[in-house]
Amino acid sequence: SQQGEEDPQALSIQEGENATMNCSYKTSINNLQWYRQNSGRGLVHLILIRSNEREKHSGRLRVTLDTSKKSSSLLITASRAADTASYFCATDGAQGAQKLVFGQGTRLTINP
Amino acid sequence: DTAVSQTPKYLVTQMGNDKSIKCEQNLGHDTMYWYKQDSKKFLKIMFSYNNKELIINETVPNRFSPKSPDKAHLNLHINSLELGDSAVYFCASSYGTGKETQYFGPGTRLLVL
Repeated sequence: SQQGEEDPQALSIQEGENATMNCSYKTSINNLQWYRQNSGRGLVHLILIRSNEREKHSGRLRVTLDTSKKSSSLLITASRAADTASYFCATDGAQGAQKLVFGQGTRLTINP
Repeated sequence: DTAVSQTPKYLVTQMGNDKSIKCEQNLGHDTMYWYKQDSKKFLKIMFSYNNKELIINETVPNRFSPKSPDKAHLNLHINSLELGDSAVYFCASSYGTGKETQYFGPGTRLLVL
């Protein structure tokens, strides 16, 4: 079964607004990652947050991690049309598994 | 320079045919992966190789056979293609065991008619 599940499945906002996407997972993790996928392209890594971290920033991106709730959020501030993409969270799954498990993604649309 | 490249970008073929997809990475990574992304955008790992050794082989039909001639290349051969094989196939690479940052290729869009 999927490890990470994003919420909402789709989000449409106006340019300049903030966008928040959530990810829930089921088992203990070492790290959680967020990736972006533009239409017709491969995934691009955005941020990795380790299980002992609670918050991480990168430019207009802010990621939080709550291991007690097994959830993470990705906040994009001051959104731009170029942020239109699908956003995926990925976890390193069950203990010992040498792989990432991806959720189904949140489709973000930024309206000009 | 392209970090992870795949060929071909598009592949349209008839049911029953055999086809191959090639992947190369110039990042010096020691682990490479094949993923399948279906029409609902669900991305699922198929195989991973570390230094030419098969590490992960998920529940994939044995019509799919990966081959890693060296740690910079990972190819995927598919025999007897079926309609359900239509998807986007992504190659990726990383350092280490697969829990760290992965770098993805542009994808190969396979359509089986």
